[in-house]
Amino acid sequence: DAGITQSPRHKVTETGTPVTLRCHQTENHRYMYWYRQDPGHGLRLIHYSYGVKDTDKGEVSDGYSVSRSKTEDFLLTLESATSSQTSVYFCAISESGQRYQETQYFGPGTRLLVL
Amino acid sequence: RKEVEQDPGPFNVPEGATVAFNCTYSNSASQSFFWYRQDCRKEPKLLMSVYSSGNEDGRFTAQLNRASQYISLLIRDSKLSDSATYLCVVKKNTNAGKSTFGDGTTLTVKP
Repeated sequence: DAGITQSPRHKVTETGTPVTLRCHQTENHRYMYWYRQDPGHGLRLIHYSYGVKDTDKGEVSDGYSVSRSKTEDFLLTLESATSSQTSVYFCAISESGQRYQETQYFGPGTRLLVL
Repeated sequence: RKEVEQDPGPFNVPEGATVAFNCTYSNSASQSFFWYRQDCRKEPKLLMSVYSSGNEDGRFTAQLNRASQYISLLIRDSKLSDSATYLCVVKKNTNAGKSTFGDGTTLTVKP
């Protein structure tokens, strides 16, 4: 299995509070991604990173920010959590992001409940 | 219309059955195709890539039809352990590796 960990694995928070989720990899892969998964929507990309300090938005980036200060860590911050951000959050990595048939490897996920 | 569409199922089949899933995609610039498997409350894991000529891995066969823009997954001799959600994934290689996921097809194999 790819060396990807996410923390925390479960979190309950209240509306309006900031929340930071962490993804850590030991594979030295260049690309890292944050997805959310909700019933009826599948996996949707929030933000991704193509190198240290290099990030870009995905399809559902509103209300989220990210940072990558080291190759191995990619942080997702909910600046002011809302109930609509209750979801399962997955981090993923890929080696270069560009190669034909290159796959992504996923972390175990973080279950977030915003009350 | 979603960029990647799958029949959500559920597909309920007996052990030993053959079952097939289809997935259609709308962007003709898509270049890489995959099937992932996701067990309940777990992360998605790569099941197999889908190559233009079709490919097989044991009981699993994947096919790609670029003209009609669909991919398929065939599972033969279903096992109880095949029960999972199967995600179709499509990628444009020139777009920073961003992948588009289908919502998944749920398979339950019963004794």
